[in-house]
Amino acid sequence: DAKTTQPTSMDCAEGRAANLPCNHSTISGNEYVYWYRQIHSQGPQYIIHGLKNNETNEMASLIITEDRKSSTLILPHATLRDTAVYYCIAGETGTASKLTFGTGTRLQVTL
Amino acid sequence: GAVVSQHPSWVICKSGTSVKIECRSLDFQATTMFWYRQFPKQSLMLMATSNEGSKATYEQGVEKDKFLINHASLTLSTLTVTSAHPEDSSFYICSATRPETEKLFFGSGTQLSVL
Repeated sequence: DAKTTQPTSMDCAEGRAANLPCNHSTISGNEYVYWYRQIHSQGPQYIIHGLKNNETNEMASLIITEDRKSSTLILPHATLRDTAVYYCIAGETGTASKLTFGTGTRLQVTL
Repeated sequence: GAVVSQHPSWVICKSGTSVKIECRSLDFQATTMFWYRQFPKQSLMLMATSNEGSKATYEQGVEKDKFLINHASLTLSTLTVTSAHPEDSSFYICSATRPETEKLFFGSGTQLSVL
């Protein structure tokens, strides 16, 4: 899996958009960009993933640059419950494909 | 609702005993499951890949005789920590990819404390 680089921590005011960046400059053509988050003492929760195009679902939006070397996860209206560690992972799809976690970004949403 | 179920959520055991953790895919068949371990304030580290009907594949540095993995059915993988010691105390998490979704789902994790 390609290595990803994320800021160690970020703060965001409640109600504002949280923009979490990720660099994956060595991503290969068949690797997707996945985002997961982990709230303390729980298993990681899937957020969103994409290959080339920007993606949006009920949780977040994923913006991938045209060269695919970086991406941004956007939580449009952050709430206190969004406080978690967010992991950006570059990996292949398929039931036999494992994902390698980096250190992630600790997002703190404040009042 | 949960897609991957993990049991127990937490377990406390004495040093030298063995502990079994179960991971189930709830409404799909998983030929492959993954086991991760997470120490406090650290990221998840992949331990092994569990393959239905065949031997597990262990990551470098993970002792296969200590962490026994059995994937006897398409919906169940078990991780047994044999002769547990305090340094094995950790958060263990399993995962499986739901076919046709490209999504890897995780169990809720098992906190193991070895006294």
